[in-house]
Amino acid sequence: DGGITQSPKYLFRKEGQNVTLSCEQNLNHDAMYWYRQDPGQGLRLIYYSQIVNDFQKGDIAEGYSVSREKKESFPLTVTSAQKNPTAFYLCASSPSGTGGYEQYFGPGTRLTVT
Amino acid sequence: GENVEQHPSTLSVQEGDSAVIKCTYSDSASNYFPWYKQELGKRPQLIIDIRSNVGEKKDQRIAVTLNKTAKHFSLHITETQPEDSAVYFCAASGYGGATNKLIFGTGTLLAVQP
Repeated sequence: DGGITQSPKYLFRKEGQNVTLSCEQNLNHDAMYWYRQDPGQGLRLIYYSQIVNDFQKGDIAEGYSVSREKKESFPLTVTSAQKNPTAFYLCASSPSGTGGYEQYFGPGTRLTVT
Repeated sequence: GENVEQHPSTLSVQEGDSAVIKCTYSDSASNYFPWYKQELGKRPQLIIDIRSNVGEKKDQRIAVTLNKTAKHFSLHITETQPEDSAVYFCAASGYGGATNKLIFGTGTLLAVQP
C-alpha cells in the first residue's frame, strides 16, 4: 500500500483542540486533495492543491486549514472552529493538467472529537 | 452549481445477477468520469473510468456507458459475486477548466446475496 500514506489511522481529541492530519505521497503527483466522509455520505472536498505553495478551498473548507510547502506533503489542520469534526478523512493525489486523472487515495484517518 | 446525482442509494441483488448504478452530472464541460469502489473502512479504489470522447468501456465483468447529450453515465456489473459487495461512487471531472477536481456522487451500497 505504498504511494500515498496518512497518519495516524485513528485520532482522538478533546473539543476545542486543533489537530493536524498527515498526508504524504511518493508518486510525484502535482495535485493533492483532502476529503471528508461521513457515514452514508459521499466524499466532500475540503481543500485541494494543484502545485506547491498554492491551494484552493473546496466545498466545505470552513474550520480547516492546509499548507503545501513540499510536493510530497499536504497536511490538514482541523481547527476548533470546525463544528462537527468527527469524520473519516481521506487524502488523495493525482497528476495535474487538463483532461482529468485518476485520484489515488490514502488509507484515511478516522478522527473522533469528544 | 456543480452536482453529481447517483441512484440508487442501495441495491441488493442475487449472486449472478447484474447490477446497474446511474449518475447524472450538471456541468457540460465535464470530460472524465471515474468509478470508485470502497469496501468497509477502506480507501476508495478506481475500478473503471471513461472519457468524454468514448461512449462505452468494458473491463471483464464491469462496463461503463456515457451519454453526453443527456449528461448521464452508468456502471454495469454482470455476473455479480459476493466480493462485489461494497459502496460504489461515481464522479465527474473537468469542472472549472484546467482543474482536476472531482465531484463525487453520494454513493451506492451494493449487497450481493449468495
